[in-house]
Amino acid sequence: AQKITQTQPGMFVQEKEAVTLDCTYDTSDPSYGLFWYKQPSSGEMIFLIYQGSYDQQNATEGRYSLNFQKARKSANLVISASQLGDSAMYFCAMREVGTGGFKTIFGAGTRLFVKA
Amino acid sequence: GAVVSQHPSWVICKSGTSVKIECRSLDFQATTMFWYRQFPKQSLMLMATSNEGSKATYEQGVEKDKFLINHASLTLSTLTVTSAHPEDSSFYICSASRDRGDTEAFFGQGTRLTVV
Repeated sequence: AQKITQTQPGMFVQEKEAVTLDCTYDTSDPSYGLFWYKQPSSGEMIFLIYQGSYDQQNATEGRYSLNFQKARKSANLVISASQLGDSAMYFCAMREVGTGGFKTIFGAGTRLFVKA
Repeated sequence: GAVVSQHPSWVICKSGTSVKIECRSLDFQATTMFWYRQFPKQSLMLMATSNEGSKATYEQGVEKDKFLINHASLTLSTLTVTSAHPEDSSFYICSASRDRGDTEAFFGQGTRLTVV
């Protein structure tokens, strides 16, 4: 079963507007972490933002904010004031404890296109 | 942020040969390292989790004899693709963590493997 679901294969946004990338997750572990990463065409993974399962406040990092709705098991990424350089692949990820320790698994990703 | 160096960044090898990829944490001790494989336009698929000084934990469907992982020290993990075949061609990327409380997973730059 899918543990991390990103239902938007591709998204378009106009430059300077905000965009929300969806992510839902499934876990029975009460302690987990949620991450968002950006992957440009070069392939490197760029860390954007982190939300811990016990964090009361939604995480924010500059133009990135995470809309964490624990009861709904969703962790959507909001990018404000989109820039052309934001065009990339975006992955939602979850860290949870497994039989071999902890591990981080990724969703299928959303490709974001920012239009001038 | 912490630095993880992965080497080589790209490699071309002949079918039947073995290829070793190194993942080093440069400024921290990584108790756990993760190896991922990424096909074009797809997500990162976790292959295995390695803990320093112990055997790697492989994900279901990953051939442990094909993908040998060694985590000999707190700063180095290696992935060896043995008897490589064209279907092993992919982007391999490592990630390192200090502990499960890390609020960021640190990634190497990735290795693009082409088997001809």
